[in-house]
Amino acid sequence: GESVGLHLPTLSVQEGDNSIINCAYSNSASDYFIWYKQESGKGPQFIIDIRSNMDKRQGQRVTVLLNKTVKHLSLQIAATQPGDSAVYFCAENTGGFKTIFGAGTRLFVKA
Amino acid sequence: NAGVTQTPKFRVLKTGQSMTLLCAQDMNHEYMYWYRQDPGMGLRLIHYSVGEGTTAKGEVPDGYNVSRLKKQNFLLGLESAAPSQTSVYFCASSWGQPPNEQYFGPGTRLTVT
Repeated sequence: GESVGLHLPTLSVQEGDNSIINCAYSNSASDYFIWYKQESGKGPQFIIDIRSNMDKRQGQRVTVLLNKTVKHLSLQIAATQPGDSAVYFCAENTGGFKTIFGAGTRLFVKA
Repeated sequence: NAGVTQTPKFRVLKTGQSMTLLCAQDMNHEYMYWYRQDPGMGLRLIHYSVGEGTTAKGEVPDGYNVSRLKKQNFLLGLESAAPSQTSVYFCASSWGQPPNEQYFGPGTRLTVT
């Protein structure tokens, strides 16, 4: 079946280092991908998105890479800060209201 | 501008009891959604609305009902709560249909004993 998953459930990085969070998807027809950040006790917050006709998109300190050949999505956070500690999850829109959300990766930032 | 708000923040129910979760948004968004988030799983869409007076079923609608009597409010009802409905419930809104950006509320943690 269709699924969106994450390679690692937790990721620990040193403050100032770059973080890379990975996501795999299974539906080659998916057209739109989104990364969310969810801090403890809060609702998900949109970070960045990318359409299937793009390979890379950059935001403020974040970059999303899409590799359609291997159905892989990654979120790169530059110069990770303590405020980046949260759960990050990807979502895959397969058309209309059908969005599949991943379970998430918890990012720990060590001071 | 409060964004999306949800009440209550926490609730404990006994099996068979009923309750209503309230979601309000002040962004004049047409689209509103109710999701549930369970440990180790991604968000799952329960019901959604494309405008005042409309509702539609999502991925996991059984055991829930919704109403959108006013554009700014979206209510989620549990008529007879079951332990399987123990979850964190999130409301979201967007100006357009997916994949337009959704704005999420802070969530309601519901425990059914």
